[in-house]
Amino acid sequence: GAVVSQHPSWVICKSGTSVKIECRSLDFQATTMFWYRQFPKQSLMLMATSNEGSKATYEQGVEKDKFLINHASLTLSTLTVTSAHPEDSSFYICSARRGLTNEKLFFGSGTQLSVL
Amino acid sequence: KNEVEQSPQNLTAQEGEFITINCSYSVGISALHWLQQHPGGGIVSLFMLSSGKKKHGRLIATINIQEKHSSLHITASHPRDSAVYICAVSLRGSNYKLTFGKGTLLTVNP
Repeated sequence: GAVVSQHPSWVICKSGTSVKIECRSLDFQATTMFWYRQFPKQSLMLMATSNEGSKATYEQGVEKDKFLINHASLTLSTLTVTSAHPEDSSFYICSARRGLTNEKLFFGSGTQLSVL
Repeated sequence: KNEVEQSPQNLTAQEGEFITINCSYSVGISALHWLQQHPGGGIVSLFMLSSGKKKHGRLIATINIQEKHSSLHITASHPRDSAVYICAVSLRGSNYKLTFGKGTLLTVNP
């Protein structure tokens, strides 16, 4: 089956530093990737939609200058949390859509970010 | 009111029991997804439905578009089924963006 690899699984960083999270589709081309955030005991919330070769579309309330998304190829999207603060500590997870057909999404394993 | 409502919020069952988790939504959708999230956080997509019923092993998912309701059933439940089950919908015309329910925490005891 289709596999989406997400790295790192967890990261601890100091306040003010930047953290990059990678999401790769290993055996298919992902025309669209999605980035989500999940706070403890909360539901997943969509942050942004990333289409290969174009600018990401951010959801209302998500700062595009703080959460930089790059989707440079059909198999890789990255989320960079810039100048991270403790309130950015959360579980971040990506998903990928294979092609343009009506198929289910494939999820990465998630990244637990802790900002000290 | 959330666009996607799940019930129950928590469910504890004994091994072998038949499990039902319900999902109701209030908007027009192009598809409904059932997801499984394990304690480590990773998510597996179980089903994507736009009509009718799908079965995979011990899992069955149904959807009634007119009633805006879906159910996920687990037959002969097992402790390894313990996880959070999440209902999510793709809103019509939204390019596959998902709106999520809050999830149902299922615990199956041996």
